[in-house]
Amino acid sequence: NAGVMQNPRHLVRRRGQEARLRCSPMKGHSHVYWYRQLPEEGLKFMVYLQKENIIDESGMPKERFSAEFPKEGPSILRIQQVVRGDSAAYFCASSPLAGRNEKLFFGSGTQLSVL
Amino acid sequence: GENVEQHPSTLSVQEGDSAVIKCTYSDSASNYFPWYKQELGKRPQLIIDIRSNVGEKKDQRIAVTLNKTAKHFSLHITETQPEDSAVYFCAASKDRFDSGAGSYQLTFGKGTKLSVIP
Repeated sequence: NAGVMQNPRHLVRRRGQEARLRCSPMKGHSHVYWYRQLPEEGLKFMVYLQKENIIDESGMPKERFSAEFPKEGPSILRIQQVVRGDSAAYFCASSPLAGRNEKLFFGSGTQLSVL
Repeated sequence: GENVEQHPSTLSVQEGDSAVIKCTYSDSASNYFPWYKQELGKRPQLIIDIRSNVGEKKDQRIAVTLNKTAKHFSLHITETQPEDSAVYFCAASKDRFDSGAGSYQLTFGKGTKLSVIP
């Protein structure tokens, strides 16, 4: 089992560009969470998705951020028109359980740097 | 919403000594409390967790205690080793066990940087 795979590990974007972060959950997991981590801070919940459904996006900024988890392929976190404040580590986690945080496995994260 | 406070922010101990990290939470409905270890540049890894129907849980050198009345929980590491050096995060959530109300999100503390000095 390869674990939760995120790519890229590092992503550099200039202000105004788009950032696309990918997450492939562990085999057999159909629940995906995205968290953001600022330096010296804990992780902050952004969104929870099941296949083809956004279940809880209460932690997502209202503008420029979107997430999807299609029937086929990885989950994508998309940030449009990036700004310097978007620089952070973005972690994806997957779980085999619906609505429970047990057995939550995190990926290695994508470090986004906005120049 | 839930608020989790974690102390201390940094902790240095001599190898072989014990380390204790404390967290408090605000939402009395929270029922699941995991602890994660994160080494520099790596993923958070679950090291131990506890549910609200249990007061204490132990796994080798690691233990967690929960006081529901006071709304605080603690991580205890005994016989610390240099490889225990990392940032430790506590978290809290209201997990759903049925179709009732709950929350999908973990609320994390800000972390404790533990340094074990050889």
